[in-house]
Amino acid sequence: AQTVTQSQPEMSVQEAETVTLSCTYDTSESDYYLFWYKQPPSRQMILVIRQEAYKQQNATENRFSVNFQKAAKSFSLKISDSQLGDAAMYFCAYRIILTGGGNKLTFGTGTQLKVEL
Amino acid sequence: KAGVTQTPRYLIKTRGQQVTLSCSPISGHRSVSWYQQTPGQGLQFLFEYFSETQRNKGNFPGRFSGRQFSNSRSEMNVSTLELGDSALYLCASSRGGGGINEQFFGPGTRLTVL
Repeated sequence: AQTVTQSQPEMSVQEAETVTLSCTYDTSESDYYLFWYKQPPSRQMILVIRQEAYKQQNATENRFSVNFQKAAKSFSLKISDSQLGDAAMYFCAYRIILTGGGNKLTFGTGTQLKVEL
Repeated sequence: KAGVTQTPRYLIKTRGQQVTLSCSPISGHRSVSWYQQTPGQGLQFLFEYFSETQRNKGNFPGRFSGRQFSNSRSEMNVSTLELGDSALYLCASSRGGGGINEQFFGPGTRLTVL
């Protein structure tokens, strides 16, 4: 079974600084998808960034970027120029590619990010 | 384009009752997935429906069931409620085809079982 581990329950960052959230996963598959989701206090899950495992290039979305290390099964999220609105719970998620298609996400336990003035 | 909607947003039930939650996907999306979020177990996949058929299923007891209608709206039913079923239930919709196929989440239904 696939597992996703986020070893940092909480992280803090100063406004305008950079923070990196860690995520490791366990899988025997060679192709899969990885995601970072953000869940603010409203509980609305929002996709932050995604990565296809077959792509070596790290995904980037504005201030958000990932460091994808396939051999190490590591998928960390870097947030640059942190803003107060970035404060939220961040979940790393894995999705296996199923023959018949499918959207079964396996989530990590989350990292609560606090942004301080 | 309207987002994923879930009704009701809050629900209070007592043990032994049953409950039905509803999810309306984004227009054009054919896949609806359900997740349970609790402080103890985190986010867990319940099941996914695609074109009115259950395509994937998580490790939940048979008390948890679902269905999807021809307009892609989905319902989730929990029978014989237990205290441990108290959770935020999230649904997510996607086009359902191949590829990375981004899922969009609804605001959730908060179920409290007394």
